[in-house]
Amino acid sequence: GAVVSQHPSWVICKSGTSVKIECRSLDFQATTMFWYRQFPKQSLMLMATSNEGSKATYEQGVEKDKFLINHASLTLSTLTVTSAHPEDSSFYICSAITGANSPLHFGNGTRLTVT
Amino acid sequence: GQSLEQPSEVTAVEGAIVQINCTYQTSGFYGLSWYQQHDGGAPTFLSYNALDGLEETGRFSSFLSRSDSYGYLLLQELQMKDSASYFCAVRGAAAGNKLTFGGGTRVLVKP
Repeated sequence: GAVVSQHPSWVICKSGTSVKIECRSLDFQATTMFWYRQFPKQSLMLMATSNEGSKATYEQGVEKDKFLINHASLTLSTLTVTSAHPEDSSFYICSAITGANSPLHFGNGTRLTVT
Repeated sequence: GQSLEQPSEVTAVEGAIVQINCTYQTSGFYGLSWYQQHDGGAPTFLSYNALDGLEETGRFSSFLSRSDSYGYLLLQELQMKDSASYFCAVRGAAAGNKLTFGGGTRVLVKP
């Protein structure tokens, strides 16, 4: 149980374009999902907390107008990287919890390369 | 805020035992988690300690001492497939349900 599906697994886009990443909880309802970013050989950095039916809570230093998060249903959260630049190239990973103190269940991640 | 410290790298041979230590700082401690991440993959959950003591799951065990703000992950009977990065992560009341990760320990298992 507690499967999180993330799509696409990798994407290459041109600078200035936008990319949407989907995160779905397949067998449970996720009122809260988390979006992380990971650069090579570094740890996972929380970008934002996505709450179903309300605005996302962004971590300090993360531009909310650049990284648009929508959590329209209990099983789907999306992250849109707008006007992508090469420095946005990274591994983006979503995760969800089944309860307040449950472990994080991660999607397989999306490797974004901006050329 | 929340912060965690763990060694950056450990090298060991197959069959050996490796202990990865993690010290943390947080307010209103909920629990300490451990995740494994292979190169190119997403993290997978290994264990969770909310109370003091040792939790054993097969070859992996995790320990917590809340009074010392310290925990460790013990990898026994190391196998080549255990070569990966291991992250400790803490959740505290002051940060809500947010999980903060340590820098990760890269474990390299040699034949």
